Amino acid sequence: EDKVVQSPLSLVVHEGDTVTLNCSYEVTNFRSLLWYKQEKKAPTFLFMLTSSGIEKKSGRLSSILDKKELFSILNITATQTGDSAVYLCAVASGDTGFQKLVFGTGTRLLVSP
Amino acid sequence: DARVTQTPRDKVTEMGQEVTMRCQPILGHNTVFWYRQTMMQGLELLAYFRNRAPLDDSGMPKDRFSAEMPDATLATLKIQPSEPRDSAVYFCASGLSSLSKQFFGPGTRLTVL
Repeated sequence: EDKVVQSPLSLVVHEGDTVTLNCSYEVTNFRSLLWYKQEKKAPTFLFMLTSSGIEKKSGRLSSILDKKELFSILNITATQTGDSAVYLCAVASGDTGFQKLVFGTGTRLLVSP
Repeated sequence: DARVTQTPRDKVTEMGQEVTMRCQPILGHNTVFWYRQTMMQGLELLAYFRNRAPLDDSGMPKDRFSAEMPDATLATLKIQPSEPRDSAVYFCASGLSSLSKQFFGPGTRLTVL
């Protein structure tokens, strides 16, 4: 059975800290790994990674994938209170044209002022 | 800015009542997904449509849940009869079958008393 595990489950940091969120997976027919941010309601897309070793960056957020060791990390530098959210990792598996996402349970990040 | 829309945003009902949730995917997207999110289980895939055809509904309790796409602009998820354990946030997401990325709607928060 496909499985995505995220750690830590929750994290409290101070503004300005750097955090690293972890995601490991076991899936058949891996296609890509995605990170989403969920604040109050709908998950919003952050990154999609398909190749190992290529870092994706967006402002203070960055992510990298290791397909050999089956994990990904999401880094947030100089955290702000607006980064407080649940961060979801999902893995897309299946054939082209029939991909579905398996989600981890998320990491709840709280950034205190 | 194209978005997935869902109605209603909140629904409170009594046990035994029928509940219908609606979703309008992003125009041009050919895949639609229904998810349920609870604190205990996280995001669970309930059903998956491609080009309006149901491809996978193995995550859905068959005796009371049904999902349909009457046309390309409307997906529905129906629960009949509803039970308190169905209380959750139900998300609809849409995408293109050639890509892993999914765009989520704002969700319907269902409370069954």
